[in-house]
Formats: sequence, C-alpha cells, structure tokens
Amino acid sequence: EAGVAQSPRYKIIEKRQSVAFWCNPISGHATLYWYQQILGQGPKLLIQFQNNGVVDDSQLPKDRFSAERLKGVDSTLKIQPAKLEDSAVYLCASSSRTGGETQYFGPGTRLLVL
Amino acid sequence: AQSVSQHNHHVILSEAASLELGCNYSYGGTVNLFWYVQYPGQHLQLLLKYFSGDPLVKGIKGFEAEFIKSKFSFNLRKPSVQWSDTAEYFCAAQYNFNKFYFGSGTKLNVKP
Repeated sequence: EAGVAQSPRYKIIEKRQSVAFWCNPISGHATLYWYQQILGQGPKLLIQFQNNGVVDDSQLPKDRFSAERLKGVDSTLKIQPAKLEDSAVYLCASSSRTGGETQYFGPGTRLLVL
Repeated sequence: AQSVSQHNHHVILSEAASLELGCNYSYGGTVNLFWYVQYPGQHLQLLLKYFSGDPLVKGIKGFEAEFIKSKFSFNLRKPSVQWSDTAEYFCAAQYNFNKFYFGSGTKLNVKP
C-alpha cells in the first residue's frame, strides 16, 4: 500500500512569510497527526485529527499555525507569519484509528526560516 | 505534566555487543508505550508497542522492551547488535488513548 505522502520536501522562506505543507495519509486511515521536530529533539505533536474533527491541538501555536483536514482525507498545515524558531521538520503521520494504533510516518517537510 | 525521557543521547557499540536504551515516562493515567526507529534517510517506523498484558514485548529485528510499571520505565533491549541497527531510536507514550509524547531520541552508532 502507498505510504503517507508529504509535500514539499524542503522549503526555505524568510521570517514573516507564510508557508503551507500538505499531507495525504494512507488510504482509509481515519486519524492524522502533524508533528514538529526541531533539530536534536523528538517529534512534538501539534494537532491530531479524527476524520475531519480535531482531537487535540493543545500544543499548536494558534496565533500563527493553523491546520485543516477537509473531507477527512488530505490535510494542510499553515504557518503565518513564520518565525526563525519555526525551522524544523514537519512530520505527518496517520493511523487507522486513535487509541494506540501504529502511526505511519511520512518523509517530512524540512523548513528553514531565514 | 506528561512527558517521556530518554537519558542516553548517543550510544556507540561494537557489533555483537548488547544494547539497552532507557526510557522513562511520567504518570498521567492510562498509557500505551512505543519504540520507533529512524534509519538514516528513512521514515520513522514502529519497532514495538505495549498496551497491556505480558510486560515483555517483542518487536521486529530481534528487539524487545520491558514495561516496568513501578519504575515508569520501558527500556529497549537487543542481545547482539548489528551494524545495520545504526539509527535513531525514539520512545513514545500515548496517554489516555489520546495525547502522544515522544522522547528526545537516542542515536545508536554500531561499529563494524
């Protein structure tokens, strides 16, 4: 089966610019996660969707980050405006349901904010 | 606050040596535990997971982990490592079937 797809793979922007990342989960997976992984740290969960509803977004900086999952399939994560500290790898993962199922990760998008 | 700690940031071993990577999680209710691995240039992938039952969990590629509730630990072990085990290993906890937390990772370098 096809894995989790993400695009773009790399993005370089200047601070105060906007950027968007796209994720297509494994077909049939109801749960979708966005993580931020800063260099030298483990992934930090930003937001979790169950179908097109938000399960947890407690660690999402809502003043600049937003995410949506229209129709319960693809998802987009946006940063507006970007700050230097947003430089990180943004990982998308999906699982067949919430509650302990294996998460399957995409390749990530590496963002550099100058 | 809920959190996961990995105390070994970088481990260097020779082939055939035994491996044990530490993972501790904080109390926070019902917890499911995972070890993920990221080989160079590849995606994060699941090594093993623990939900309930036998506290000794076996995963892929000869890895195992032991859940010790009294110590809030879920250490990863392998009796004899290979050069191909060179990777970064992440411990993760899911609290109350909801919130996921990852540790900061341990980079394992196995010398041939």
